[in-house]
Amino acid sequence: GAGVSQSPSNKVTEKGKDVELRCDPISGHTALYWYRQRLGQGLEFLIYFQGNSAPDKSGLPSDRFSAERTGESVSTLTIQRTQQEDSAVYLCASSLSLAPGQETQYFGPGTRLLVL
Amino acid sequence: GENVEQHPSTLSVQEGDSAVIKCTYSDSASNYFPWYKQELGKGPQLIIDIRSNVGEKKDQRIAVTLNKTAKHFSLHITETQPEDSAVYFCAASIATNAGKSTFGDGTTLTVKP
Repeated sequence: GAGVSQSPSNKVTEKGKDVELRCDPISGHTALYWYRQRLGQGLEFLIYFQGNSAPDKSGLPSDRFSAERTGESVSTLTIQRTQQEDSAVYLCASSLSLAPGQETQYFGPGTRLLVL
Repeated sequence: GENVEQHPSTLSVQEGDSAVIKCTYSDSASNYFPWYKQELGKGPQLIIDIRSNVGEKKDQRIAVTLNKTAKHFSLHITETQPEDSAVYFCAASIATNAGKSTFGDGTTLTVKP
């Protein structure tokens, strides 16, 4: 079946503009995660959604970052008033649930964001 | 919060040799430890994982060991092949907040033919 898809694959924007990144999880996966990966670095947790529970937003670096998820489907990560330090690859992942044995995360290919 | 340190940052081995990557974690409540392989331009892919009630797990050429007392876990790849060349990440999470994983900074493994 289809894996996690993300769009756009690449995004170049000017400092101060807003951007929206999209993630389509694997069908049936109740948990969805967003990470930021700066060049040559590890994954930095941003936010995760689990079913209808309130999302864990504890990793969002500032109030310029927000994310939404419609039910158990598509999610969008929005960055307002982009700054050059926002340049990174933004990775989305989904898993069946958070239960032991079902928490394997399947990652999308990422969106490469460059803020000029 | 949890802190995960990963070593080495780069590792170069000859084809056929073994490779070992080590991670330490700080939160003794962590109980799930996955390892991911990330190839250039792609998202990470789970290759093996281990839970805190197990000391070792193997899957063909890949094995992971966990020492809960010392709070470290290691990835072992035997009989390395050029296609094993990639960036490897360890991660740790706690059952009470399984959605929030902390990742190591990654190890770039190069297998020379």
